Amino acid sequence: DQQVKQNSPSLSVQEGRISILNCDYTNSMFDYFLWYKKYPAEGPTFLISISSIKDKNEDGRFTVFLNKSAKHLSLHIVPSQPGDSAVYFCAAGGGGNKLTFGTGTQLKVEL
Amino acid sequence: DVKVTQSSRYLVKRTGEKVFLECVQDMDHENMFWYRQDPGLGLRLIYFSYDVKMKEKGDIPEGYSVSREKKERFSLILESASTNQTSMYLCASSLVSSYNSPLHFGNGTRLTVT
Repeated sequence: DQQVKQNSPSLSVQEGRISILNCDYTNSMFDYFLWYKKYPAEGPTFLISISSIKDKNEDGRFTVFLNKSAKHLSLHIVPSQPGDSAVYFCAAGGGGNKLTFGTGTQLKVEL
Repeated sequence: DVKVTQSSRYLVKRTGEKVFLECVQDMDHENMFWYRQDPGLGLRLIYFSYDVKMKEKGDIPEGYSVSREKKERFSLILESASTNQTSMYLCASSLVSSYNSPLHFGNGTRLTVT
């Protein structure tokens, strides 16, 4: 049972526009969420996180929104840059030591 | 900066072989993890450890075992490799388990079992 879902396997946006990556979860025990970015042949790198007591967290071009009632979070990247092209994973944690990851969304930022 | 080092970038092994994947972190982190990444399946947790000699099963532990004899080193063992264990294996560490203590990953080991 996939507790963290990223329903869009890929997304293509133009440079300078906004990228919106979505993530849904089913387990109401999750109390924090993270986004990771992964380039080919490298390990994932941490991007931004949010605690369940907040509904928004911002870091430069990256903003994560959390809607607890809908069990939905999204990552906004604005403006998108070609270097943002990567696979993005959302992850959820809480009640233990482990993170549960989604299946990933391949973002392609085109010139 | 935290460094997580996986001993091999690429490995090719035969079915039935015993395989060791090694991981070392240099930041005195308590928690260490082994994930595998497969297309369409994302990252799935195999095993994790929150202290020396302690281990817990993740979501897909079958066919794997782990060893943590020292705090900085976490080994993943495939007792008898099978073709369905061909995958990208990622090791990670974290200080604690919270939103402000993210996982730090190594660059991965691409294992092919033939």
